[in-house]
Amino acid sequence: SQTIHQWPATLVQPVGSPLSLECTVEGTSNPNLYWYRQAAGRGLQLLFYSVGIGQISSEVPQNLSASRPQDRQFILSSKKLLLSDSGFYLCAWSGVKKGKSLYGYTFGSGTRLTVV
Amino acid sequence: DQQVKQNSPSLSVQEGRISILNCDYTNSMFDYFLWYKKYPAEGPTFLISISSIKDKNEDGRFTVFLNKSAKHLSLHIVPSQPGDSAVYFCAAWDSGNTPLVFGKGTRLSVIA
Repeated sequence: SQTIHQWPATLVQPVGSPLSLECTVEGTSNPNLYWYRQAAGRGLQLLFYSVGIGQISSEVPQNLSASRPQDRQFILSSKKLLLSDSGFYLCAWSGVKKGKSLYGYTFGSGTRLTVV
Repeated sequence: DQQVKQNSPSLSVQEGRISILNCDYTNSMFDYFLWYKKYPAEGPTFLISISSIKDKNEDGRFTVFLNKSAKHLSLHIVPSQPGDSAVYFCAAWDSGNTPLVFGKGTRLSVIA
């Protein structure tokens, strides 16, 4: 069966420090991968998505970047965190390359990032 | 511009009664809709979906209704249970297979 792992679960970082959040998927190959953020009082905002190794689409211009160095690994990074980067970050995957999965995406358990 | 809108940030319902969560959308190209349920500090989990060729889909206590002309869908939970207390997200897909678009969510509290 497919599983998605996301870590760390919580993170407190000072303003100006770097960030690296990692997400891996097991039990599937060539998934579509997504990074979402849920800021306080706001909905799920799509940050980046990837349909293959090295292929990254950015949805929102911001202080963050994403990379996909391996087929089932998706990394969210920042060189210098801002206070506004605080939020709940979610990684998700979909196994359907064309068309739609009946169940949408499968999400990881999330990372609570607090920038202080 | 929000393409998927959940205008009620929160909803309180008594246990055993019906919960109705609403969602409106603006993009007429959306043709598949999903509801996700999210508990605190966890990722959203799929609840129920509906294709634009249908107007109703039912799964146990959960029913989703779609009114295409009004660009409106709703999730009915009957009967509501305390374990249903969570944030519910409406999401939509367009025919071009771009990423899912989510609403801001509605926090449901079911009171015993």
